[in-house]
Amino acid sequence: DIQMTQSPASLSAEIGDRVTITCRASHDIQTSLAWYQYKPGNVPKLLIFSASSLEYGVPSRFSGSGSGTEFSLTITSLQPEDAATYYCQRYKRPPLTFGEGTKVQIK
Amino acid sequence: EVQLEESGGQWVQPGRSLRLSCAASGFAFDDFAIHWVRHVTGKGLQWVSSLNYNGDFTAYEDSVKGRFTISRDNARNLVFLQMNSLRPEDSGLYFCAKGTGVVLESSADSWGQGTQVTVS
Repeated sequence: DIQMTQSPASLSAEIGDRVTITCRASHDIQTSLAWYQYKPGNVPKLLIFSASSLEYGVPSRFSGSGSGTEFSLTITSLQPEDAATYYCQRYKRPPLTFGEGTKVQIK
Repeated sequence: EVQLEESGGQWVQPGRSLRLSCAASGFAFDDFAIHWVRHVTGKGLQWVSSLNYNGDFTAYEDSVKGRFTISRDNARNLVFLQMNSLRPEDSGLYFCAKGTGVVLESSADSWGQGTQVTVS
């Protein structure tokens, strides 16, 4: 069974904090991993592709790293508009599974 | 500007069928894969199905295999998701999304607003 495991499930941080979310793949996916931001009432937004490439127009405070089975998304200085749920997704081969999501709240 | 617009979602009883459509514009439609992803309240984003640029290759999440069929009409810039034998757990907000390349093994860089499917 192919799984993507994110942690933590939720976090609360202050404006300006550095926030890191991790994603673990059950199988080696090299760098075929994307990160998305989702706010209810909006549409998912691609932040990072190929594990570490910043999508055009995404603020540089977002960064991704990792390869193989361990990945992370970092927000270097949390802003109010970053309150959202973040998802990783593998796309090495089907199934293109999403992680369970990490809800980021602002203290 | 890339635009994707889903339609066809509605309330249906278990066991019935629905066909979702996704109308695309603003990009070279036949050069990109398309994905269907649903958001289920309390469960998050779930990948449903994808197809490559010409529809020759398709993929499905295990729980929908044999019940859902994805297809595309490149002449009309449309993608379809035929959903048969619907179950309550198929309920959710269904998004179509543009892949970042010709193959279905790609991330999704543009999304529609979604169409709601409720099975009960």
